[in-house]
Amino acid sequence: EGQLLESGGGLVQPGGALRVSCAASGFPFGNYPMTWVRQAPGKGLEWVSSISGSSGSTYYADSVKGRFTISRDNSRSTLYLQMSSLRDEDTAAYYCARGGRMAIFGVVGYFDNWGQGTPVTVSP
Amino acid sequence: DIQMTQSPSSLSASVGDRVTITCQASQDIRNYLSWYQQKPGKAPKLLIYDAINLETGVPSRFSGSGSGTDFTFTISSLQPEDFAIYYCQQYDNLPPYTFGQGTKVEI
Repeated sequence: EGQLLESGGGLVQPGGALRVSCAASGFPFGNYPMTWVRQAPGKGLEWVSSISGSSGSTYYADSVKGRFTISRDNSRSTLYLQMSSLRDEDTAAYYCARGGRMAIFGVVGYFDNWGQGTPVTVSP
Repeated sequence: DIQMTQSPSSLSASVGDRVTITCQASQDIRNYLSWYQQKPGKAPKLLIYDAINLETGVPSRFSGSGSGTDFTFTISSLQPEDFAIYYCQQYDNLPPYTFGQGTKVEI
């Protein structure tokens, strides 16, 4: 089944940077595409970024393109999201999520395993 | 980008009721639609993928139908643990993926 555990969230000033991580266990991490989804307080879900199992393909929402970078270390079974030039509207809980089936070279658009989320607050 | 319009935004129902939520895509997404349940303070949980497929371990009272632009999610007999927010999400072709705005199912 597997488990995902995010960390690294916190309070950061506008214009600042932060890296959140997602440690995976219990499944062959490198075989699965991974995704970050965020949820602003009291709001709905927003897809942020996805990466293939091989890291060969990455995708970003327009709202974060050029500011966020998704990456993964398959040897450490860990997914990352490096966030820079943070804005108030980036305040959210950030969830990592596993693609619903194995795909080393592509991404899968539905997500069968989610972490508990890590909160990111952008405020002066 | 593909827009997803989910309705209603909220509904009141009782235990045992049949509940139906609809989701409309702004363009043809074939059958690339999933449904999630989210309870307060918790991560979303996958219920349905590829419009009609029930995720392993999900009770059979949950079902999905539709293709193209119009989709339906049904709970055949609402249980106390089903009070939550439900989201549809499209994943046709490559990202960006988009979620509906959510439907809150409450008493």
